[in-house]
Amino acid sequence: EAGVAQSPRYKIIEKRQSVAFWCNPISGHATLYWYQQILGQGPKLLIQFQNNGVVDDSQLPKDRFSAERLKGVDSTLKIQPAKLEDSAVYLCASSFAVNEQFFGPGTRLTVL
Amino acid sequence: DQQVKQNSPSLSVQEGRISILNCDYTNSMFDYFLWYKKYPAEGPTFLISISSIKDKNEDGRFTVFLNKSAKHLSLHIVPSQPGDSAVYFCAASGTADYKLSFGAGTTVTVRA
Repeated sequence: EAGVAQSPRYKIIEKRQSVAFWCNPISGHATLYWYQQILGQGPKLLIQFQNNGVVDDSQLPKDRFSAERLKGVDSTLKIQPAKLEDSAVYLCASSFAVNEQFFGPGTRLTVL
Repeated sequence: DQQVKQNSPSLSVQEGRISILNCDYTNSMFDYFLWYKKYPAEGPTFLISISSIKDKNEDGRFTVFLNKSAKHLSLHIVPSQPGDSAVYFCAASGTADYKLSFGAGTTVTVRA
């Protein structure tokens, strides 16, 4: 079974630029999550999708972050414009059953 | 506010000895607890979990203990092996929304 795929793996941008991350979940997983992991901290949930609907986006900074999951499969997370404090690893996870999340390798974002 | 705390950022242990990782939580609504393991440049992978109706769960070399009254759980790895060197995250969720809250992680180094 293929795991959660994410791209790119690494991205370096200047502040105020835009960036987008892509996630392809495990086939058949209805729930998809985006997490932000800042160095030295645990992953923090940004947004959760159930199929193509948003379940929870309470911790998503909506003035600069946006996410979509068209057709209930792939998802993209966008930051526009980026700030220095957005430097982090962005993890995508998917699940079929509750309490069983499978994580992708993450995208390491550096904002200069 | 951090609802799950791992107060030891690092742990060094000799190969063959026991590793004990600790985790404390503040939210009394949490009733499911998980440990994830993370290697560099990879996403977290599920290791072991425990429901609040139990106080111990064992899987091979890994045992998780839960003390609900103290809001404390621990992960024991016996015996520790070099491949266990990784970052370990404690996570918790409640049946209200199954949203995972993560601790900051403990980096385990197993010395030969």
